Amino acid sequence: KNEVEQSPQNLTAQEGEFITINCSYSVGISALHWLQQHPGGGIVSLFMLSSGKKKHGRLIATINIQEKHSSLHITASHPRDSAVYICAVCSGHYGGATNKLIFGTGTLLAVQP
Amino acid sequence: GAGVSQSPRYKVAKRGQDVALRCDPISGHVSLFWYQQALGQGPEFLTYFQNEAQLDKSGLPSDRFFAERPEGSVSTLKIQRTQQEDSAVYLCASSKTGRETQYFGPGTRLLVL
Repeated sequence: KNEVEQSPQNLTAQEGEFITINCSYSVGISALHWLQQHPGGGIVSLFMLSSGKKKHGRLIATINIQEKHSSLHITASHPRDSAVYICAVCSGHYGGATNKLIFGTGTLLAVQP
Repeated sequence: GAGVSQSPRYKVAKRGQDVALRCDPISGHVSLFWYQQALGQGPEFLTYFQNEAQLDKSGLPSDRFFAERPEGSVSTLKIQRTQQEDSAVYLCASSKTGRETQYFGPGTRLLVL
């Protein structure tokens, strides 16, 4: 069983739809990251959060530490949002020597006009 | 300012050949990470540096993989006697400290024939 699991693996939406991508993890973490990767492109960090909720433009990320679950929401989706969205957790203890990220396998989102 | 840069962007190697992949992190960033991303998969941790110290190399798949960061800035990932299973995108990321947002480079796509 992967330490970080995402659902769904693939998602197709119509422009304007509200989108939710889920992430569950099984290890202790100091922070959780949501990342975006365009085909053939690099990885861009969207959010880093350790509690509560963060919002940036049309993107919202929430985390529930007790349930070990996070969600990424996209409001008013647009074709340019089409990308792979990756959840990653930082397994390092605060102040510890290792702050590596453990990644989920990603969610491929396609937003159709 | 300049982001994380990696070179070469693409590398084709014959099986058995040695390769060296370079990462230039964002100036002043203390932490540097190497990840390996196989086709269709999420990235996987290889190794982590804090300044010039390699604090975690638990993800290096074999003793053919070696990484260094001798002056605490530029890092090189070396793969000796490359095998076909080494074909992947090698991603470098840096952060101010290990606990902050990681900024990813564009990756080096390695193909071993």
